Amino acid sequence: EAGVVQSPRYKIIEKKQPVAFWCNPISGHNTLYWYLQNLGQGPELLIRYENEEAVDDSQLPKDRFSAERLKGVDSTLKIQPAELGDSAVYLCASSLDRQRNPTFGQGTRLTVV
Amino acid sequence: DAKTTQPNSMESNEEEPVHLPCNHSTISGTDYIHWYRQLPSQGPEYVIHGLTSNVNNRMASLAIAEDRKSSTLILHRATLRDAAVYYCTFNNAGNMLTFGGGTRLMVKP
Repeated sequence: EAGVVQSPRYKIIEKKQPVAFWCNPISGHNTLYWYLQNLGQGPELLIRYENEEAVDDSQLPKDRFSAERLKGVDSTLKIQPAELGDSAVYLCASSLDRQRNPTFGQGTRLTVV
Repeated sequence: DAKTTQPNSMESNEEEPVHLPCNHSTISGTDYIHWYRQLPSQGPEYVIHGLTSNVNNRMASLAIAEDRKSSTLILHRATLRDAAVYYCTFNNAGNMLTFGGGTRLMVKP
């Protein structure tokens, strides 16, 4: 079975530019997570989806970050405009439901210069 | 927030057992303890989880203290491919995993 697929793997942008990350979860997985991982730290949850509904986005900085999962399958995370401090790895994960352990993708490493 | 305490780093020799400790004194009675590991340039990978009893799978064993305030992940024979950051975590009220800083395991040949 294909795992959680994220693209791109790496992205370098200038500050104030927009950027988007894409995630295709494992087929049939209803729960989808976006995590942020700063260098040397553990992942921090940004948002969780149950199907197409964002059920926990309390940690998402809504002034510049947005996410969507329109058909309850794949998802995009957007930053506009990007700041230097947004440089990090953005991880997507999915699970059958919120009771099961999530499977993580390889992440997108964002560098803002 | 679900809080865990782990040593920042540990070292092991190849083919020897490794015991990775974790303290989770704020765990509630219904929270499962989960361990994940993260290889370089990869996303975290599930290792094992448990509630009260010790658990074994093909990757590792999980020993849970009787009061559940601590647990130990046991790798029976460390290999070079086990070098990774190991995260101990447990579900908070929203059933979401909250990760701490983890333990960086270095394996020496």
